[in-house]
Amino acid sequence: AQSVTQLGSHVSVSEGALVLLRCNYSSSVPPYLFWYVQYPNQGLQLLLKYTSAATLVKGINGFEAEFKKSETSFHLTKPSAHMSDAAEYFCAVSASWDQGGKLIFGQGTELSVKP
Amino acid sequence: EPEVTQTPSHQVTQMGQEVILRCVPISNHLYFYWYRQILGQKVEFLVSFYNNEISEKSEIFDDQFSVERPDGSNFTLKIRSTKLEDSAMYFCASSDGGSGNQPQHFGDGTRLSIL
Repeated sequence: AQSVTQLGSHVSVSEGALVLLRCNYSSSVPPYLFWYVQYPNQGLQLLLKYTSAATLVKGINGFEAEFKKSETSFHLTKPSAHMSDAAEYFCAVSASWDQGGKLIFGQGTELSVKP
Repeated sequence: EPEVTQTPSHQVTQMGQEVILRCVPISNHLYFYWYRQILGQKVEFLVSFYNNEISEKSEIFDDQFSVERPDGSNFTLKIRSTKLEDSAMYFCASSDGGSGNQPQHFGDGTRLSIL
């Protein structure tokens, strides 16, 4: 079975500071990994995905994530936080289609950005 | 950019009543999903749907739930007899691939409140 653990339900950074949101996964097969962002009263928007190509993945809004198999991690980073980055961030692992292709989400991390 | 649309944005229903949540997936997508997010909790998979049949369903998706693609554009989730614990945000998603490496695109959700 696959699972995702996000360390830290709430992260607070100052504007301009580094953003680091942690995600560890468990999977018996090579995983497909995703980061989604949810702004208040909105749906989930894809930030980036890892699908077994480059281990460093660049996404939208200046975010990137690095797949580290040895650490079973897929942490999300952004060099300089902006006020507009305040949102809930979800890491997810995807099962292959013979397992339904469903997304399994972590608990989410709420990012606050202080001026 | 094409998007998934969901209606209504908010549905208030008396316990025991039937409710239908509607979704219009992205037009060339073939794989469809419903997820729910109870307030303060993580996003949970409910059901996946492909080629006019359910591919996988979770333990949450019991006999009170059903899905249908009544025409070429809509994808619906029906809850036959709602319970208080069905109160949640329900998200529809679609994908153009089912192997797990294609991202799922989410709608803005329907907030279901059971009284």
